Amino acid sequence: GEDVEQSLFLSVREGDSSVINCTYTDSSSTYLYWYKQEPGAGLQLLTYIFSNMDMKQDQRLTVLLNKKDKHLSLRIADTQTGDSAIYFCAESINNNDMRFGAGTRLTVKP
Amino acid sequence: GAVVSQHPSRVICKSGTSVKIECRSLDFQATTMFWYRQFPKQSLMLMATSNEGSKATYEQGVEKDKFLINHASLTLSTLTVTSAHPEDSSFYICSARRGAPNTGELFFGEGSRLTVL
Repeated sequence: GEDVEQSLFLSVREGDSSVINCTYTDSSSTYLYWYKQEPGAGLQLLTYIFSNMDMKQDQRLTVLLNKKDKHLSLRIADTQTGDSAIYFCAESINNNDMRFGAGTRLTVKP
Repeated sequence: GAVVSQHPSRVICKSGTSVKIECRSLDFQATTMFWYRQFPKQSLMLMATSNEGSKATYEQGVEKDKFLINHASLTLSTLTVTSAHPEDSSFYICSARRGAPNTGELFFGEGSRLTVL
């Protein structure tokens, strides 16, 4: 099975909050990442969290980590149409060997 | 910000031919680059780690003779899919690390979609 799992699609209305979920299997993971990929562009690092943290907030983005359940989430407050993209969850032990999910395609409807 | 560029972004080739995909770090030197492939609705899978001036390190299950990786300079790594077959059709993405191993940020290319007829 997949090491990192995330649902493939999420659709929200503009102005609502989006929550993208991810589960991983390696309890040794020390870094957990969220990447954003817009059409025709490479993956861009949005944010990351160390495994000894429960939460990290950066403007409209909130990352929650439940290490016990190996569950990571990304919340985007006041979602805008420009947030429409594919969001990849990833994890690694040493910031080298990263394992990615399949990506969640977020569609924001006006 | 740092930019990593891949070329071509899309390529269609006939079965049995070889295809080369380039990955360039445009404004920084990268001693290490990574190659990934992604099948539809599946995870981005690491294929190999490309080190400048030395042989690439391949992940388990990835054929070295099938996917030739050359990291000839600090700004260029190439992936050549040799004797391509339809099952090699996939989305290939490269990334380059800026800065020190284990701490430097990864920057990703736009990806190259290969279709083998």
